[in-house]
Amino acid sequence: GAVVSQHPSRVICKSGTSVKIECRSLDFQATTMFWYRQFPKQSLMLMATSNEGSKATYEQGVEKDKFLINHASLTLSTLTVTSAHPEDSSFYICSARDTGGWGDTQYFGPGTRLTVL
Amino acid sequence: GEDVEQSLFLSVREGDSSVINCTYTDSSSTYLYWYKQEPGAGLQLLTYIFSNMDMKQDQRLTVLLNKKDKHLSLRIADTQTGDSAIYFCAESPARRGFNKFYFGSGTKLNVKP
Repeated sequence: GAVVSQHPSRVICKSGTSVKIECRSLDFQATTMFWYRQFPKQSLMLMATSNEGSKATYEQGVEKDKFLINHASLTLSTLTVTSAHPEDSSFYICSARDTGGWGDTQYFGPGTRLTVL
Repeated sequence: GEDVEQSLFLSVREGDSSVINCTYTDSSSTYLYWYKQEPGAGLQLLTYIFSNMDMKQDQRLTVLLNKKDKHLSLRIADTQTGDSAIYFCAESPARRGFNKFYFGSGTKLNVKP
């Protein structure tokens, strides 16, 4: 099946610093990627839709200046958590939409565990 | 609106069949997905079905869709301890361009040896 990678898998940072998370589709091109946040023992919350070559679309309540998204190529989207605070600690998961072949589905990355001290 | 619901826990014995249920509310055409999440990991796509289908089988997995009741189930035959995980049901409706996923809260499957 299709593969999506994320880097880093785990990051610990100090409060006030910025953290960049990369999401790559390894064997298909993804014009659309998504960023989710998952709190412990809860389901995924869609944060934003990342479109290649254009601005991301943010869900209600998600601060676009805090969570910067860049989708510079068909295989890479990045999420930068700016001026991170402890409440930003969470599991961040990206997915990439694969419209090739006969299906249309999303494949998820392995997630990035962010801990802000 | 979109509202996807699942029961929170299921416990079965190794070798038995597991049935995880999900209900959704969107009435438009939709893709319906089952994902597996192991501790500390991302989501793994298990299978998906389009809303014009009633059933899909893939090895030990059987997905059944009751469109009238908007009820989706995932049956795992011969459940193994390695199947212990959280299983998420998700829908991606046509009226959102198949672009947005709405997840259930996840069902934690515990397989006892």
